[in-house]
Amino acid sequence: GQQVMQIPQYQHVQEGEDFTTYCNSSTTLSNIQWYKQRPGGHPVFLIQLVKSGEVKKQKRLTFQFGEAKKNSSLHITATQTTDVGTYFCAGPGQGAQKLVFGQGTRLTINP
Amino acid sequence: DSGVTQTPKHLITATGQRVTLRCSPRSGDLSVYWYQQSLDQGLQFLIQYYNGEERAKGNILERFSAQQFPDLHSELNLSSLELGDSALYFCASNSGWGGNSPLHFGNGTRLTVT
Repeated sequence: GQQVMQIPQYQHVQEGEDFTTYCNSSTTLSNIQWYKQRPGGHPVFLIQLVKSGEVKKQKRLTFQFGEAKKNSSLHITATQTTDVGTYFCAGPGQGAQKLVFGQGTRLTINP
Repeated sequence: DSGVTQTPKHLITATGQRVTLRCSPRSGDLSVYWYQQSLDQGLQFLIQYYNGEERAKGNILERFSAQQFPDLHSELNLSSLELGDSALYFCASNSGWGGNSPLHFGNGTRLTVT
């Protein structure tokens, strides 16, 4: 079945450092979505990318969708303690009936 | 607040027992999804319903079943519980179709099987 792989699994940074998580799909995706789950919380939708090569920004967060629509990345510039959490990418599964999530990247930050 | 309501928030039960988790989707959303998240694990898709009909199934165990009622709320039934079933169970809903529309998650039900 369709798989969505995400690396790294864990990332620890000093506050103020940058952070990047990468997502790769075994198949071409019609869209890719990113979610953030704070510790003890539930996943919250951040953004959806649809077009090949698309780049979107949300303040210090930059999201990219690859040209082949099989990979994506999330980059956070100058991390803050509020960025702590697990970041998931997700893409439509076979038949687009469901959303398949990557394993997530857990970000911890040293203040 | 996502608008998706899940009850109960916590559930503690013994092995071999049966429990029911409940979810009310956001107003207007026809699709309901159930995901399982074990400790420090990702989100494993269980099952999806659209307007009362099952539309997609993941690696859901035969001991688990779900349904979506005419008022669009959904229930996930877990039976013959095992220790390994301890996890966070999330319900999500969306207004679109399947994986092409963002999901809105509830706060989850934390199930502990002892």
